[in-house]
Amino acid sequence: DGGITQSPKYLFRKEGQNVTLSCEQNLNHDAMYWYRQDPGQGLRLIYYSQIVNDFQKGDIAEGYSVSREKKESFPLTVTSAQKNPTAFYLCASSVGGSSYNEQFFGPGTRLTVL
Amino acid sequence: GQQVMQIPQYQHVQEGEDFTTYCNSSTTLSNIQWYKQRPGGHPVFLIQLVKSGEVKKQKRLTFQFGEAKKNSSLHITATQTTDVGTYFCAASFGNEKLTFGTGTRLTIIP
Repeated sequence: DGGITQSPKYLFRKEGQNVTLSCEQNLNHDAMYWYRQDPGQGLRLIYYSQIVNDFQKGDIAEGYSVSREKKESFPLTVTSAQKNPTAFYLCASSVGGSSYNEQFFGPGTRLTVL
Repeated sequence: GQQVMQIPQYQHVQEGEDFTTYCNSSTTLSNIQWYKQRPGGHPVFLIQLVKSGEVKKQKRLTFQFGEAKKNSSLHITATQTTDVGTYFCAASFGNEKLTFGTGTRLTIIP
């Protein structure tokens, strides 16, 4: 059964702690993306990767870090430097890195920092 | 940065009424995609528009791309309860990234 998985669905952390969100896909897609969704603001791009071992900053990369060591995996670390980390985080993938490719989204992780 | 304005932010309609959401840019777009996010769910791709003046239909949904490729619309005819959700446009300005609009949340009054 192909798709994108994100875990966990809900995550709670104390302020000042780093936290890593998981994203795995078995669609054999080259490109992967991380978005942040806040009420009334749509989806904002944090980081994206068009190929293994390469990634680029999106529009709101400050306070976040990523790695792309495997094609299937694109974990996102929310660091303590992120000033307002509570949000809904969505991972997506596409066949290639072109904007003409349809993006497939995972179910998301809702992060709450207390 | 480059932005896509989407209006309205919310729309409440009686079941059976029509619904339209609009996306506007001050810059020419290379392509635009539309996604639907059900309450509590994740965005799902609906369609992509690439050509100037393009019109595509999916059952009760009609998607249009403006002649100048600076605006797009999604129109739903005779809404049903299954149409509930937030509709996003996602546009490209000629690079590899998609810029999402803020979305239009559609609620249906039975």
